[in-house]
Amino acid sequence: GEDVEQSLFLSVREGDSSVINCTYTDSSSTYLYWYKQEPGAGLQLLTYIFSNMDMKQDQRLTVLLNKKDKHLSLRIADTQTGDSAIYFCAERPYYGGSQGNLIFGKGTKLSVKP
Amino acid sequence: DGGITQSPKYLFRKEGQNVTLSCEQNLNHDAMYWYRQDPGQGLRLIYYSQIVNDFQKGDIAEGYSVSREKKESFPLTVTSAQKNPTAFYLCASSKPGPNTYGYTFGSGTRLTVV
Repeated sequence: GEDVEQSLFLSVREGDSSVINCTYTDSSSTYLYWYKQEPGAGLQLLTYIFSNMDMKQDQRLTVLLNKKDKHLSLRIADTQTGDSAIYFCAERPYYGGSQGNLIFGKGTKLSVKP
Repeated sequence: DGGITQSPKYLFRKEGQNVTLSCEQNLNHDAMYWYRQDPGQGLRLIYYSQIVNDFQKGDIAEGYSVSREKKESFPLTVTSAQKNPTAFYLCASSKPGPNTYGYTFGSGTRLTVV
């Protein structure tokens, strides 16, 4: 069935790199997304990657996509305390000519220690 | 600026009462969604609507009801039949077709039963 899996917690020291991993199941997904949720707030789109790309870099963020293994990762360079949040991975399958609903992982809570 | 607005931010309900959570968007998005978020559970889909005057049940629709009389509005009613309504509720909207945005989220309503 459809499922997106992520580890629930990650703790890093300020200034280190953070790597959040995600596995997904539907190879039809056109776009894969990373969302960030700060405490008590809604989700904000952080970045996305198109399914025919292997890598996308956006300032401190690097997204890697391995389609063969259905593995997506988000690397945050020089992690700051303001990066402490929950990060959600999401895929949007494409069924018979129409988009399905977004399928979210359960979120990885990133804690950044000074 | 376009966006999606949820109100109120905090809501308290007595047992046995129905309450309605508001969600309004001015993004001209066709689709709208309601999610429930509990700690460690990720996002669970309650209801979604792809077009005005039509909506579908998500994974946890029991005890909830919705309406979609206008494109801009998708209110969620938490009925007395929902036995454990205390949670954080998120509304989202999206454009049809593959796109780089995925969903746009509101800032959420925290519902507490007192």
